[in-house]
Amino acid sequence: NAGVTQTPKFQVLKTGQSMTLQCAQDMNHNSMYWYRQDPGMGLRLIYYSASEGTTDKGEVPNGYNVSRLNKREFSLRLESAAPSQTSVYFCASGTGRTDTQYFGPGTRLTVL
Amino acid sequence: QKEVEQNSGPLSVPEGAIASLNCTYSDRGSQSFFWYRQYSGKSPELIMSIYSNGDKEDGRFTAQLNKASQYVSLLIRDSQPSDSATYLCAVNGGADGLTFGKGTHLIIQP
Repeated sequence: NAGVTQTPKFQVLKTGQSMTLQCAQDMNHNSMYWYRQDPGMGLRLIYYSASEGTTDKGEVPNGYNVSRLNKREFSLRLESAAPSQTSVYFCASGTGRTDTQYFGPGTRLTVL
Repeated sequence: QKEVEQNSGPLSVPEGAIASLNCTYSDRGSQSFFWYRQYSGKSPELIMSIYSNGDKEDGRFTAQLNKASQYVSLLIRDSQPSDSATYLCAVNGGADGLTFGKGTHLIIQP
């Protein structure tokens, strides 16, 4: 039982490049989330998916897109990376919006 | 705008003492409250959840909730150097999921 897994662990991009961050969970959770964490800003919600087939914007969705591929997988795409997107990205899953969320190990992204 | 406030610290506590971490929240409709621990360079890890007014104990950790005062706290008894980390308070107010505080950096001095 791996919990929540994320790939890649580290990534360096140039401004304007695109990439997809992958997330998968094996806990049979309905809800999945993408956060970014920046120094002094705390964890901020980018997008979430309450169930397979649905996605909703969080606090900071601009510049990102998501896909809930199936119940297990939830990906985050940066279409045209900007230096302001340099951050640590965490994926999380939970049984519902009011319940505990479990976090993946994170992806450290640097945009030059 | 829902807000969760924590003192950023650092909070320095001698080994073996009680560490007290505090959190206030703005949304009176919040129903679920969580404490996460985050070591430097790692992901947040759940320590405690609390849903009702009063105290909830789990080993060396006690969470306290006072909904009337919109206040949540975490007590760590017999503090150990391994407790040194950033502690995140998270509050659930419904449709928007969890709102996190910015965290309190705790240092346990040997």
